[in-house]
Amino acid sequence: GENVEQHPSTLSVQEGDSAVIKCTYSDSASNYFPWYKQELGKRPQLIIDIRSNVGEKKDQRIAVTLNKTAKHFSLHITETQPEDSAVYFCAARGGPDAGGTSYGKLTFGQGTILTVHP
Amino acid sequence: NAGVTQTPKFQVLKTGQSMTLQCAQDMNHEYMSWYRQDPGMGLRLIHYSVGAGITDQGEVPNGYNVSRSTTEDFPLRLLSAAPSQTSVYFCASSRRTAPTTNNEQFFGPGTRLTVL
Repeated sequence: GENVEQHPSTLSVQEGDSAVIKCTYSDSASNYFPWYKQELGKRPQLIIDIRSNVGEKKDQRIAVTLNKTAKHFSLHITETQPEDSAVYFCAARGGPDAGGTSYGKLTFGQGTILTVHP
Repeated sequence: NAGVTQTPKFQVLKTGQSMTLQCAQDMNHEYMSWYRQDPGMGLRLIHYSVGAGITDQGEVPNGYNVSRSTTEDFPLRLLSAAPSQTSVYFCASSRRTAPTTNNEQFFGPGTRLTVL
């Protein structure tokens, strides 16, 4: 099955700096890579996603890049703000299984605790 | 729309007790799943379902049962609770998709379970 590794486990930056979180995946058939943000005590929420036929996607201060050859993808947050402090999870959707039922299965990374200091 | 709802929010069990965590969604999503979240281990898939009457195991299914009799509901049963099942449990749902589409998973608020 799919395996997703996420680094770093913790990241501390000053307000205004950039933050980068990296993930690698194992299944070359994986085709969808979402990023979720989870604030303390809350549920994970999607912040950006990318499909395997796209190399980069940007939404205001956040961007995601994908390198299919190397099987890694990264989240970039620019001009960080204290409200960006949260746990961030990457995920990968593996290729279809024989029964065609795996399209919804996501494998998550271990999470990165991002702290933005004012 | 209420989205994805879960009950209870908190639960304390003794070892060996059984209970059912409830999950419901009102978005007519075909795909539903259960995850457990433990410190430093991310979200791990327990069981999932691609539609009523169809369920399958995820990464950590042992000790848990599921059923999907309707599109809206996907309960998770712990038959004999163990301390190792102390965790935060999230239910999620999404549309069933093809490889060419994205499928945002919508999460419920979570259930914090402690097994003594």
